[in-house]
Amino acid sequence: DVKVTQSSRYLVKRTGEKVFLECVQDMDHENMFWYRQDPGLGLRLIYFSYDVKMKEKGDIPEGYSVSREKKERFSLILESASTNQTSMYLCASSHYNEQFFGPGTRLTVL
Amino acid sequence: RKEVEQDPGPFNVPEGATVAFNCTYSNSASQSFFWYRQDCRKEPKLLMSVYSSGNEDGRFTAQLNRASQYISLLIRDSKLSDSATYLCVGVNTDKLIFGTGTRLQVFP
Repeated sequence: DVKVTQSSRYLVKRTGEKVFLECVQDMDHENMFWYRQDPGLGLRLIYFSYDVKMKEKGDIPEGYSVSREKKERFSLILESASTNQTSMYLCASSHYNEQFFGPGTRLTVL
Repeated sequence: RKEVEQDPGPFNVPEGATVAFNCTYSNSASQSFFWYRQDCRKEPKLLMSVYSSGNEDGRFTAQLNRASQYISLLIRDSKLSDSATYLCVGVNTDKLIFGTGTRLQVFP
């Protein structure tokens, strides 16, 4: 069964903290994605990766960075968390166009 | 203008009703389309692909009209378990473009 896992379901951090969100997939997919989902705005693409050590900016990369050292793991980093980064973060991996999502991390930045 | 637009709803329908959602897209270069379903506080999951010829999966029918640039999803004989948010998704240069979703609430 296809599986994408994320390190935390809920996370509370303070402004200025460095935050790591981890995502692991067990499907040997090449492509991995990070989105944030906000009411009324839908899912917005932050970063994506088509291969190990490769990354591409999505639509809203500002304030974020990513790391893909291994095929199965794609990390999202908030270098200095801000309150406007409070959101639901969803990781996905894909085979062709079908994307499989992790359960999401609800991040609150105080 | 958003690349993929949907009516946010909510659509409140009784069990057994037929309900249809439309979605419009602005980029005529979009190659493929999908409907995803997202339950409350859960992740999106693929419901079905949308083909130019239309496709059906049980009670669900998806249609694509390229001339008018809209996609539709028809649900027949609605069940309580169909209550969810339905996301219209386009593909543009290998990236998925998500609509904001249409919320469906089926009541007894």
